[in-house]
Amino acid sequence: NAGVTQTPKFRVLKTGQSMTLLCAQDMNHEYMYWYRQDPGMGLRLIHYSVGEGTTAKGEVPDGYNVSRLKKQNFLLGLESAAPSQTSVYFCASSYSSSGVAYNEQFFGPGTRLTVL
Amino acid sequence: AQSVTQPDIHITVSEGASLELRCNYSYGATPYLFWYVQSPGQGLQLLLKYFSGDTLVQGIKGFEAEFKRSQSSFNLRKPSVHWSDAAEYFCVWNSGGSNYKLTFGKGTLLTVNP
Repeated sequence: NAGVTQTPKFRVLKTGQSMTLLCAQDMNHEYMYWYRQDPGMGLRLIHYSVGEGTTAKGEVPDGYNVSRLKKQNFLLGLESAAPSQTSVYFCASSYSSSGVAYNEQFFGPGTRLTVL
Repeated sequence: AQSVTQPDIHITVSEGASLELRCNYSYGATPYLFWYVQSPGQGLQLLLKYFSGDTLVQGIKGFEAEFKRSQSSFNLRKPSVHWSDAAEYFCVWNSGGSNYKLTFGKGTLLTVNP
């Protein structure tokens, strides 16, 4: 049981390049999330998904797109990377209990992205 | 807007000393509260959570937290800190119900001196 995994662990991009970050979970969770972490800012929600085929914007969605084609995978895309997107990206997943989705989130190890 | 405040950006304690990390939330209704820990270069791990009931909750690694509605606080405590507790700690809030989004505090970095 691997939990939440993220690919890749590190990446360096040049301004204007594109890339996709992959998140996978093997816990059969309904909900998945993408966060970015910057020094002194805590974690900020980029996009999230409440189920296969559905996505929604979070707190800081600009410059990112996501897709949830399979329940276990949640992809984060950067179409044209900018230096402001240099950050550590975390994926998380969670389940609901009796229709209430306030349960804790399980986090992946993170992807450190540098945009030059 | 709902928010979570961690007043201390950085705390230094000696190994064996007691620890209290502060957290205040701004929302009036009963929140769902969590403390997560992040070791250097790692993801986040749940220490403990409060949903309802007893206001003193126990977590992993010897941590506990107390929910005080009158003070809008959810402070994290440990009676005796170990060097391995050095990490960043996040207080996290959720409004519950159909809202599954978490609001993170900005974190408190804990340094443990030998």
